Amino acid sequence: NAGVTQTPKFQVLKTGQSMTLQCAQDMNHNSMYWYRQDPGMGLRLIYYSASEGTTDKGEVPNGYNVSRLNKREFSLRLESAAPSQTSVYFCASSEATAGLNIQYFGAGTRLSVL
Amino acid sequence: QQQVKQSPQSLIVQKGGISIINCAYENTAFDYFPWYQQFPGKGPALLIAIRPDVSEKKEGRFTISFNKSAKQFSLHIMDSQPGDSATYFCAASSTGNTPLVFGKGTRLSVIA
Repeated sequence: NAGVTQTPKFQVLKTGQSMTLQCAQDMNHNSMYWYRQDPGMGLRLIYYSASEGTTDKGEVPNGYNVSRLNKREFSLRLESAAPSQTSVYFCASSEATAGLNIQYFGAGTRLSVL
Repeated sequence: QQQVKQSPQSLIVQKGGISIINCAYENTAFDYFPWYQQFPGKGPALLIAIRPDVSEKKEGRFTISFNKSAKQFSLHIMDSQPGDSATYFCAASSTGNTPLVFGKGTRLSVIA
């Protein structure tokens, strides 16, 4: 029972390089999310997908794009990485049951942009 | 704007003591208030959650107290243990699958 799987776990990029962070969930959840976590800033929502085929911007979407490839997979792309995007990125999925929006998180991707 | 304000940023508690973390929210449409626990190198995991139709929810040593009129809620950890040392996040959302809004987190250290 894997839950939410993120790849890669670590990545170092040079400024201007591009990369895609992958996320997959095996819980048949409709909703998926991408957050970034920075010291003292908590978890900030980048993009989310309420269901397959839909995506919406969160609090900090600039510099990122997302693709909801299918119900299981939700990827985050950095087209031209900047040092300000150095962060830990978390993917999550959820299914609202009886009004409870329980989000399940992956283990994170630690990204450094030099 | 910060919709969920969490305090303190860090907290040191003696083993066996009570840890208290507070959160305040602004959006009256919020009706679901979870707390997440995060250990170093791991993703956050749901600890306990409350809906506004009750003022308190207890699960083992963890209790959420909720004050709807003040728009505040808090996490109490009774008999705190070194294994409770982690970062705790409060969050809030409105009904359904709307995204959670997180507080900035509290780093708890429980010392023996």
